[in-house]
Amino acid sequence: ELKVEQNPLFLSMQEGKNYTIYCNYSTTSDRLYWYRQDPGKSLESLFVLLSNGAVKQEGRLMASLDTKARLSTLHITAAVHDLSATYFCAAPSGGGADGLTFGKGTHLIIQP
Amino acid sequence: DAGITQSPRYKITETGRQVTLMCHQTWSHSYMFWYRQDLGHGLRLIYYSAAADITDKGEVPDGYVVSRSKTENFPLTLESATRSQTSVYFCASEGGRGEAFFGQGTRLTVV
Repeated sequence: ELKVEQNPLFLSMQEGKNYTIYCNYSTTSDRLYWYRQDPGKSLESLFVLLSNGAVKQEGRLMASLDTKARLSTLHITAAVHDLSATYFCAAPSGGGADGLTFGKGTHLIIQP
Repeated sequence: DAGITQSPRYKITETGRQVTLMCHQTWSHSYMFWYRQDLGHGLRLIYYSAAADITDKGEVPDGYVVSRSKTENFPLTLESATRSQTSVYFCASEGGRGEAFFGQGTRLTVV
């Protein structure tokens, strides 16, 4: 059974700082997804990582995937308040399209 | 409008009642999913469907029933609601690359 673990689960940081969220998963997967959720809202797809060594960047966010280490990272550069949200990583639950297994989410607060 | 829509957005029901949450997508995606989101548990898969008339259980299917007579609709029914089913329910469909796109969510309270 696939397990996806994120850390930290809660992060409070100041604007302008850098930080990394880690996502470990327990079984082999060559795909990893990152989502953002604002309070009371739906999940928005941020990054789709499809192979070992994949790196994607969007603004101040950069995601990477190391399938050998079963690790993905979401790096935040020079954080701004608008990035405050909950971030989830997810991996395919198994063969075929039988859904995603999500981490518990990282609740990120960026303070001025 | 294109996309994936859920209804209702909010629902309060009594213990023991049957309630159906609706999900409609306009992309013609083959795969659709129902998740529930609870504090401390993240999102957990309830049921999924690979195509019309094909459904399968996810991680937490007990107490739920799904159907998929048409590709675009994937309703979720709670046959006899319990307080433990109070949650936020998200429907999703899968586009290319295994990427899931989520509806706005239904906040269900069972009293």
